[in-house]
Amino acid sequence: ETGVTQTPRHLVMGMTNKKSLKCEQHLGHNAMYWYKQSAKKPLELMFVYSLEERVENNSVPSRFSPECPNSSHLFLHLHTLQPEDSALYLCASSQDVIGLLAKNIQYFGAGTRLSVL
Amino acid sequence: KQEVTQIPAALSVPEGENLVLNCSFTDSAIYNLQWFRQDPGKGLTSLLLIQSSQREQTSGRLNASLDKSSGRSTLYIAASQPGDSATYLCAVATGNQFYFGTGTSLTVIP
Repeated sequence: ETGVTQTPRHLVMGMTNKKSLKCEQHLGHNAMYWYKQSAKKPLELMFVYSLEERVENNSVPSRFSPECPNSSHLFLHLHTLQPEDSALYLCASSQDVIGLLAKNIQYFGAGTRLSVL
Repeated sequence: KQEVTQIPAALSVPEGENLVLNCSFTDSAIYNLQWFRQDPGKGLTSLLLIQSSQREQTSGRLNASLDKSSGRSTLYIAASQPGDSATYLCAVATGNQFYFGTGTSLTVIP
């Protein structure tokens, strides 16, 4: 257990649905991240939050909407997704961030496996 | 744009062998390089982080080296065990981005 918890572990949704992914860390970290991992592709950094402020939106479509209500929680709100959005969505945290760069080691959650029908 | 390549894509070795995984990157202006392990259906576990000013890092049976000038890093695993079977990813911090390779899938045969 890395200290980063993601729920749900699996999610199946239709293209017209609205759902949210949740990430929680109690490591006392200041930075949290959303990544997308598609089959046969490298991990793609989507969003970075530092002290609850969004540091970067990495050209992610607006159908993905992040929210960071406090330094321990991070959400990814999903609406009107496309089948090509099916992937493993990973959350990570680190002690600090300089711009987009984790000053320290990143700790990852187990991910949410998303299938869009 | 930074490109990260990992070779081989898959590797199968008998238990007890020493092995080397390779990671290459195109832009040598990096801040750090990190090696991760990913088990099927699970997230990533950080193994080693090498800052740009360092040449290598060691943790137990793992040793990672970094040669920025040639754009290469290697992960050396000594005396491999079946429990080492997983996908190994390297990630490079460049500019304001993290760039990941596609990983090397390792199978250690008992």
